[in-house]
Amino acid sequence: GAVVSQHPSRVICKSGTSVKIECRSLDFQATTMFWYRQFPKQSLMLMATSNEGSKATYEQGVEKDKFLINHASLTLSTLTVTSAHPEDSSFYICSARDLAVTSTDTQYFGPGTRLTVL
Amino acid sequence: GESVGLHLPTLSVQEGDNSIINCAYSNSASDYFIWYKQESGKGPQFIIDIRSNMDKRQGQRVTVLLNKTVKHLSLQIAATQPGDSAVYFCAASDTGRRALTFGSGTRLQVQP
Repeated sequence: GAVVSQHPSRVICKSGTSVKIECRSLDFQATTMFWYRQFPKQSLMLMATSNEGSKATYEQGVEKDKFLINHASLTLSTLTVTSAHPEDSSFYICSARDLAVTSTDTQYFGPGTRLTVL
Repeated sequence: GESVGLHLPTLSVQEGDNSIINCAYSNSASDYFIWYKQESGKGPQFIIDIRSNMDKRQGQRVTVLLNKTVKHLSLQIAATQPGDSAVYFCAASDTGRRALTFGSGTRLQVQP
């Protein structure tokens, strides 16, 4: 149980294009999903908290107009990197919290998406 | 704000030995802690968690110890195996924020 998928797993794009990454909870419902970015040999940095049916909450320093988040259902959140540039190249990971489990803050992570912007 | 840090960036152990990975946190309001394992190119995998009303919790081959007095957390892996080689992260949250803050990670290398 508690499986989270991401699509695509790897994407290479040209500078200036937009890239959409999908995060799905496969066997549970998640009102809250999280998007992280991880640079090589570094820890996970929280970018934003995605709430189903409402606007995402962005961490300080994360541009909301550049990283668009949509959480349209209890099992799907999307992150769109708009006008991507080489410095946006990173490993993007989503996580989800099980709606049915309110006693802990356990997050289940997706496998990540490797974005390379040329 | 919350900051979570690890004492050692790399830990090398012999197969079969026990491993201990340490983590320190600064926010006294943190009340929930998780250990994750991340293999290269993959997302973090949940290992074990502990609430602040406990000081020890055991899983299969793993034990988490929490010392709230000194704000210290450790992960013990018994009989370490080659498959345990990965980067281990601790993470903490508090009920107010309900978001995880991750430590910098410790790479565990298991020598055969």
